[in-house]
Amino acid sequence: GENVEQHPSTLSVQEGDSAVIKCTYSDSASNYFPWYKQELGKRPQLIIDIRSNVGEKKDQRIAVTLNKTAKHFSLHITETQPEDSAVYFCAARVNAGNMLTFGGGTRLMVKP
Amino acid sequence: GAVVSQHPSRVICKSGTSVKIECRSLDFQATTMFWYRQFPKQSLMLMATSNEGSKATYEQGVEKDKFLINHASLTLSTLTVTSAHPEDSSFYICSARGTGLAGYNEQFFGPGTRLTVL
Repeated sequence: GENVEQHPSTLSVQEGDSAVIKCTYSDSASNYFPWYKQELGKRPQLIIDIRSNVGEKKDQRIAVTLNKTAKHFSLHITETQPEDSAVYFCAARVNAGNMLTFGGGTRLMVKP
Repeated sequence: GAVVSQHPSRVICKSGTSVKIECRSLDFQATTMFWYRQFPKQSLMLMATSNEGSKATYEQGVEKDKFLINHASLTLSTLTVTSAHPEDSSFYICSARGTGLAGYNEQFFGPGTRLTVL
């Protein structure tokens, strides 16, 4: 089955700096890659997603890039703010009928 | 966006008792529901996938007789932890995916249920 690796597990940045979280996946048939933000004790919230027919997608301060050849995708957060502090999960799915496989998570801490 | 509710949000029970957790899609028909378990500072681990009207498909290592899942309608799925033990203490989160939504690929998560077994 699909295996998703996520790095780093923790990331500390200064407010205003950029943060990058990287994920790799094993199943070349995966075609949907969402990113979730989870605050302590709360539900994961979808923040951005990308499909395999697109190489990059941007939404204000967040962007996701996908390299299908290398089977990795990354989340980029620019101009980080303290409220960006949370755990971020990447995920991958083979097709619309299958479940998401999550990465191990990255705890992002933005220092004011 | 679509809303998924989960009840209860917290439950504390004695060892040996059973606990039922409900997951509801409030404004869409959830053809598929997923149940996850999350330990502190860890990722979401899929326990089972259920399609409305069908038996749930359990992930390897998840005991189907201990974690009973029922998806009897397009808006409700339940997870029953039977004969709960302290090691079952965890954060249980459901998510739903359905029809009639602009973002068909998206899974919408419930707020989670924190189970503590004494």
